[in-house]
Amino acid sequence: TQLLEQSPQFLSIQEGENLTVYCNSSSVFSSLQWYRQEPGEGPVLLVTVVTGGEVKKLKRLTFQFGDARKDSSLHITAAQTGDTGLYLCAGGYNQGGKLIFGQGTELSVKP
Amino acid sequence: DAGITQSPRHKVTETGTPVTLRCHQTENHRYMYWYRQDPGHGLRLIHYSYGVKDTDKGEVSDGYSVSRSKTEDFLLTLESATSSQTSVYFCAISNWQPLTDTQYFGPGTRLTVL
Repeated sequence: TQLLEQSPQFLSIQEGENLTVYCNSSSVFSSLQWYRQEPGEGPVLLVTVVTGGEVKKLKRLTFQFGDARKDSSLHITAAQTGDTGLYLCAGGYNQGGKLIFGQGTELSVKP
Repeated sequence: DAGITQSPRHKVTETGTPVTLRCHQTENHRYMYWYRQDPGHGLRLIHYSYGVKDTDKGEVSDGYSVSRSKTEDFLLTLESATSSQTSVYFCAISNWQPLTDTQYFGPGTRLTVL
């Protein structure tokens, strides 16, 4: 069974702080996605990375795919209260769009 | 937002009763998925469909069945609901191509089995 271990599971920080969320696996993925989910809603895609070592930036969010395509990280600079939510990583392996999801990181940014 | 609706949005039922959840899309996407979301487990795939009448099992398929008679509708059935099936259920759609795994999610159905 392919697993994606996400850490930390919970993170509570003050506005303005930086943070990093990690997503690790022993399996190689063809792509790695990050989703954000707000209470009462479905997850929404933030980014997809497909190349080992790839780095993508989305405003204050920086996403990196590990060189071996087994791990990924999400770094948020100067967190804002609007960043609060559940962040999910998901690995794809080119099989009919099936994804393996990590357990999620519940981020709370306090003013 | 992708046109995905789920019904019902909330349901409370009793152990042993059958339950059907419906996912409807207006995007004409080929692939459709059912997930369940539980604390500490992220999203786990129950079943998915890669075309009309073409379905396959996911990692937590026991106790669930699915049907897809039209492109736009994907039904999830719990033949005899158990308390362990209390969860939030999400439907997702995609037009999967290699290296393009984007999935679009519905708003979810909160199911409580008493």
